[in-house]
Amino acid sequence: NAGVMQNPRHLVRRRGQEARLRCSPMKGHSHVYWYRQLPEEGLKFMVYLQKENIIDESGMPKERFSAEFPKEGPSILRIQQVVRGDSAAYFCASSPPPPSTRVFFGSGTQLSVL
Amino acid sequence: GESVGLHLPTLSVQEGDNSIINCAYSNSASDYFIWYKQESGKGPQFIIDIRSNMDKRQGQRVTVLLNKTVKHLSLQIAATQPGDSAVYFCAETGGQAGTALIFGKGTTLSVSS
Repeated sequence: NAGVMQNPRHLVRRRGQEARLRCSPMKGHSHVYWYRQLPEEGLKFMVYLQKENIIDESGMPKERFSAEFPKEGPSILRIQQVVRGDSAAYFCASSPPPPSTRVFFGSGTQLSVL
Repeated sequence: GESVGLHLPTLSVQEGDNSIINCAYSNSASDYFIWYKQESGKGPQFIIDIRSNMDKRQGQRVTVLLNKTVKHLSLQIAATQPGDSAVYFCAETGGQAGTALIFGKGTTLSVSS
C-alpha cells in the first residue's frame, strides 16, 4: 500500500511563473490536507479538501493560491505568479473519512523561487 | 538521565538516556493531540496520539502525557537511540472543521553515542 505520493520533489520557478504541486493520497483516503513549512519552522495548515469539495481553506492566502481535489486524479495546489516568499516545503497529508483522525504525510515538494 | 523543562528548541542527550520533549497547546477545545517526528528532507511521521479524555498513553518506548489544566503535552522517549535524532512536533486538532492539525514549535533532538 503506497503512502501519500507528492510530485515533484523539487520545483524551481522564476518569479511570476505558476507552480503546480500534486498529491495522490493513500489508497482508500478521501480527505487531503496541504501544509506549508518554512525553514526552521513548524507546519502551517493551508487547506482541507474532500473529493470535489473544499472543507476548510482558512489557512490559504487570499490571493494567488488555490487547491482542488477532483473526482478523478490527484489533489493540486496551485500558486500563481510566484514570489520569493513562496519558497518553502509544501506537504500533503491524507486521511480516511472522519471519525478517523489518523493523518499520513507525504515527503513534500520543495519549491524554490528564483 | 532525563531532560525536563519548558519548551526548548533543541535537546541534546546521550544514547541510552531518557528524553522528555514538552509542548504547550493553545486550544482548550481540542480533543485530539499527536506527536510527529520529522527527519531531514522528509514529511512528518506519526509517533503517538492521545485523546483529551486521557492523561497518559504508552507506546513502544514512547509515552505521551497530557495535562489539560495547564494545556501542556509531553513526549517521553525511553532509552533514546541515535535513530531518534529528528525534529519533534506536537499537534492539536483545530481549524474551521476541527480536523486540521495545528502544529506547535518543533524541538530538535540530538542523540550522541
